[in-house]
Amino acid sequence: SQQGEEDPQALSIQEGENATMNCSYKTSINNLQWYRQNSGRGLVHLILIRSNEREKHSGRLRVTLDTSKKSSSLLITASRAADTASYFCATDEGGTSGSRLTFGEGTQLTVNP
Amino acid sequence: NAGVMQNPRHLVRRRGQEARLRCSPMKGHSHVYWYRQLPEEGLKFMVYLQKENIIDESGMPKERFSAEFPKEGPSILRIQQVVRGDSAAYFCASSRTGTDPYEQYFGPGTRLTVT
Repeated sequence: SQQGEEDPQALSIQEGENATMNCSYKTSINNLQWYRQNSGRGLVHLILIRSNEREKHSGRLRVTLDTSKKSSSLLITASRAADTASYFCATDEGGTSGSRLTFGEGTQLTVNP
Repeated sequence: NAGVMQNPRHLVRRRGQEARLRCSPMKGHSHVYWYRQLPEEGLKFMVYLQKENIIDESGMPKERFSAEFPKEGPSILRIQQVVRGDSAAYFCASSRTGTDPYEQYFGPGTRLTVT
């Protein structure tokens, strides 16, 4: 499997339900980031969690990180139709002055009204 | 404060032509990254540049692709003699200098179609 691999590949839920997406990676990381991409658009940064953090919240988003299992999860609570998008995790392996991100293949979330 | 700017947003080239994609980073950002996204796939890193320097080009194809980030002006991703397999969305991202974590901000992308 690839670095930053999301699970599931696709998720369809009803408005108001919670959506959970998982990400697994292989190497040591400096931080892990989650992005959203609406169809045909650019990426929007959602949240960044450092390797020494276990959980982070931002509005309706909750991200967890388990470095021992090399996995992260993104929870979107009380989902809305506008949350319909692809969600990507990206790992940053760190560097002295900046570094590349390694993206997974993404989870396509559909929130039905 | 304008975000990362990319132009053109859509580019159509015939096989064998050259494609030039431009990226202006956010104000105050001196690190630029280029990524490519094939249909239904995630983004793949291509190259990381700072002003006048290529820092990491490990994701760049060996031939036909080049990138620069001059002292003045935008970063340019250049693809010579394009082939159909180059059709993809190309995203540029920028980050600040000297600050960890290096949160990257993405532009809207350039969608290249090779006919």
